Amino acid sequence: GQQVMQIPQYQHVQEGEDFTTYCNSSTTLSNIQWYKQRPGGHPVFLIQLVKSGEVKKQKRLTFQFGEAKKNSSLHITATQTTDVGTYFCAGKSGGSYIPTFGRGTSLIVHP
Amino acid sequence: DVKVTQSSRYLVKRTGEKVFLECVQDMDHENMFWYRQDPGLGLRLIYFSYDVKMKEKGDIPEGYSVSREKKERFSLILESASTNQTSMYLCASSLLGWGTDTQYFGPGTRLTVL
Repeated sequence: GQQVMQIPQYQHVQEGEDFTTYCNSSTTLSNIQWYKQRPGGHPVFLIQLVKSGEVKKQKRLTFQFGEAKKNSSLHITATQTTDVGTYFCAGKSGGSYIPTFGRGTSLIVHP
Repeated sequence: DVKVTQSSRYLVKRTGEKVFLECVQDMDHENMFWYRQDPGLGLRLIYFSYDVKMKEKGDIPEGYSVSREKKERFSLILESASTNQTSMYLCASSLLGWGTDTQYFGPGTRLTVL
């Protein structure tokens, strides 16, 4: 079945440093979504990528979808303490109705 | 704003009990989902429903059943709770099918089975 691997599992950074989390799928994805979950909270939708090679930006966050539509990344520039949380990717292949979530990357920002 | 509510934030049950987790959304969404979230495992889909009385199994349906009698309400049922069902349960809804639309999550129910 479809697998979505997300790395790293944890990332500690000093406030102001950059952060990147990566998702890799065993199959070609029709689209990928990214979610953020604050500690004690629930996942909140950030963005969806659909096109090969797509790049989208939201302020300090940059999302990329690979050319082969098998990988994606989320990059945060100059992290802030408000960025703390777990970031999940979730991908769906064309032949499946069911999405597969990565295991998430927990970002810890030290002031 | 879309609101997805779940009946309880915390629940403690005993092994063998029948457990009902309720989820209600107020935006007339067609699709509703039940996930469980465990540390290091991310979110795993248990069941989803794309219409009233319609349901489909997700990745881990064993030990669970669901009910969708009304569009706004999606229930998760543990027929006979076991300790390995201790987890955080998250409900979500979306207007369109998954992958074409945003999923809105409820606050979650942390279930402990003793």
